[in-house]
Amino acid sequence: QQQVKQSPQSLIVQKGGISIINCAYENTAFDYFPWYQQFPGKGPALLIAIRPDVSEKKEGRFTISFNKSAKQFSLHIMDSQPGDSATYFCAAGSNYQLIWGAGTKLIIKP
Amino acid sequence: GAGVSQSPSNKVTEKGKDVELRCDPISGHTALYWYRQSLGQGLEFLIYFQGNSAPDKSGLPSDRFSAERTGGSVSTLTIQRTQQEDSAVYLCASSDRRGRGYTFGSGTRLTVV
Repeated sequence: QQQVKQSPQSLIVQKGGISIINCAYENTAFDYFPWYQQFPGKGPALLIAIRPDVSEKKEGRFTISFNKSAKQFSLHIMDSQPGDSATYFCAAGSNYQLIWGAGTKLIIKP
Repeated sequence: GAGVSQSPSNKVTEKGKDVELRCDPISGHTALYWYRQSLGQGLEFLIYFQGNSAPDKSGLPSDRFSAERTGGSVSTLTIQRTQQEDSAVYLCASSDRRGRGYTFGSGTRLTVV
């Protein structure tokens, strides 16, 4: 199976709160798990990515948590800011092939 | 170039006309991908190039859609006899041979009237 299931479809978080988006994959051969951020009128841009040999990766306020046995990974945005309001896509794959989640529209309320 | 460049940024065309969308990938990136994104929706894979060949064109929705890549660089996505349901943003991305540095352009917004 090649699906990547992303949830929730939309999310509203208060400024300063923690935003959490989850993804689940099926293919155990996948070895690359990126998150992309997309603002209106722009293409998606790489935010943060993880390989399966680590369980967590942190870059500033953004953290990926990875659970290999459960085939799940999640994005945590700490101290969420209005500027974080965007659509977030997870993906999973290996080599050239990336399978994309359906996206999560995140709104941060001031 | 410094990034993935797509042109035009916007295109309005009449139903039944043919359109060509252009993608100029990052210099040195051998892999190139086309996606379609309808309003508020996810990314629909269309086709993947490695060099000038297209080992995966499974996502092309119909035979009205075709794509080519020349010189291992610029790619053109052609939609013949456009239909209103073709209206969407067409995104191009490129990466190195191993899929690293996967970078998107800003897309071409196609409107068929």
